[in-house]
Amino acid sequence: AQTVTQSQPEMSVQEAETVTLSCTYDTSESDYYLFWYKQPPSRQMILVIRQEAYKQQNATENRFSVNFQKAAKSFSLKISDSQLGDAAMYFCAYSPTSGTYKYIFGTGTRLKVLA
Amino acid sequence: DVKVTQSSRYLVKRTGEKVFLECVQDMDHENMFWYRQDPGLGLRLIYFSYDVKMKEKGDIPEGYSVSREKKERFSLILESASTNQTSMYLCASSLGLAGISYEQYFGPGTRLTVT
Repeated sequence: AQTVTQSQPEMSVQEAETVTLSCTYDTSESDYYLFWYKQPPSRQMILVIRQEAYKQQNATENRFSVNFQKAAKSFSLKISDSQLGDAAMYFCAYSPTSGTYKYIFGTGTRLKVLA
Repeated sequence: DVKVTQSSRYLVKRTGEKVFLECVQDMDHENMFWYRQDPGLGLRLIYFSYDVKMKEKGDIPEGYSVSREKKERFSLILESASTNQTSMYLCASSLGLAGISYEQYFGPGTRLTVT
């Protein structure tokens, strides 16, 4: 069965600094998608970044980038120039391309941004 | 902008009551999902629907049922609420083309308390 593991329940970063959130997953599939979602306090969950497993190039979205290591089954999120608005729960998610539209989510990492 | 709305932000019900949680999306998405979110457990899929009147069990369907009579509306039903169903419930929707895992759009959540 596929699993997603986020081993850091909570992290802190100083404003303007860089932080990396870890995610590992387990699957026997060769093609799949990986996602990072952000859930700000009392607000809706939104997509931060998406990576297709067949693409070797790491996805980037402005200050957010991923380090996708397919062989190691690792998918970390790097947030550069952290801002107070980045404070949120971050969830890593996996979805296969075949057979189902289901996501498998990790347990989340709470990110605190210190002024 | 995709909009996913949920009927209530907060709900308090008594043990044994029948509870309806409603979710509506306005982007003509084929797929709709119900999750529950608990601290330390992340998001767990209860049910999802890939078409009108079609549904599939997720990872924790016990004690829940769903209804999708119209494409834009997906209801979660707790037949007889119990205290262990106290949780945050999130609805999501996505496009549904085979072989592609699209972004899921989330509603604001319903925090249900069963006393």
